[in-house]
Amino acid sequence: NAGVTQTPKFRVLKTGQSMTLLCAQDMNHEYMYWYRQDPGMGLRLIHYSVGEGTTAKGEVPDGYNVSRLKKQNFLLGLESAAPSQTSVYFCASMNPYLEQYFGPGTRLTVT
Amino acid sequence: KQEVTQIPAALSVPEGENLVLNCSFTDSAIYNLQWFRQDPGKGLTSLLLIQSSQREQTSGRLNASLDKSSGRSTLYIAASQPGDSATYLCAVRDGATNKLIFGTGTLLAVQP
Repeated sequence: NAGVTQTPKFRVLKTGQSMTLLCAQDMNHEYMYWYRQDPGMGLRLIHYSVGEGTTAKGEVPDGYNVSRLKKQNFLLGLESAAPSQTSVYFCASMNPYLEQYFGPGTRLTVT
Repeated sequence: KQEVTQIPAALSVPEGENLVLNCSFTDSAIYNLQWFRQDPGKGLTSLLLIQSSQREQTSGRLNASLDKSSGRSTLYIAASQPGDSATYLCAVRDGATNKLIFGTGTLLAVQP
């Protein structure tokens, strides 16, 4: 049981490039989330999903897109990266008791 | 709007000391409260989850309490060890929005 996994662990992009972050969970959870963590700002919700085929906007959705084609996977896309998107990105899933489990994070730098 | 505050922002204690971390929230309408640990450069590890109907939860040397009416939770760590050094985050699941709202954390250093 791997829990929540994220790939890649690190990535450096140039401004304007695109990329996709992959999150996978093997706990059969319906709810999945993408957060970003920045110094002094805590964790902020980007997008979330309440089940396969669904997505919804969180607190800071601009510049990001997501897809949940399979229940176990939640993808976060950056179409045109900007330096303001330099951050650590965390994926999470939630069990029926409303307890969230987090992945190890992806450290993204946009130059 | 729900806001979560953690005090102190940083804490340094000698090994073996018992300590208390504080978390306060502005709206008592919550589903639950969750305490996490985050090591440098790592993800968040769930420590304890307290449902809104519960008063406390215990796991090993950790005990978390919840007083919903006063908007407060405490995380008690007994007999602290250097391995407990990390950032501790509390988060409430807001009853109005169903979102998990995080505090900014307490950075704990346990000195050997």
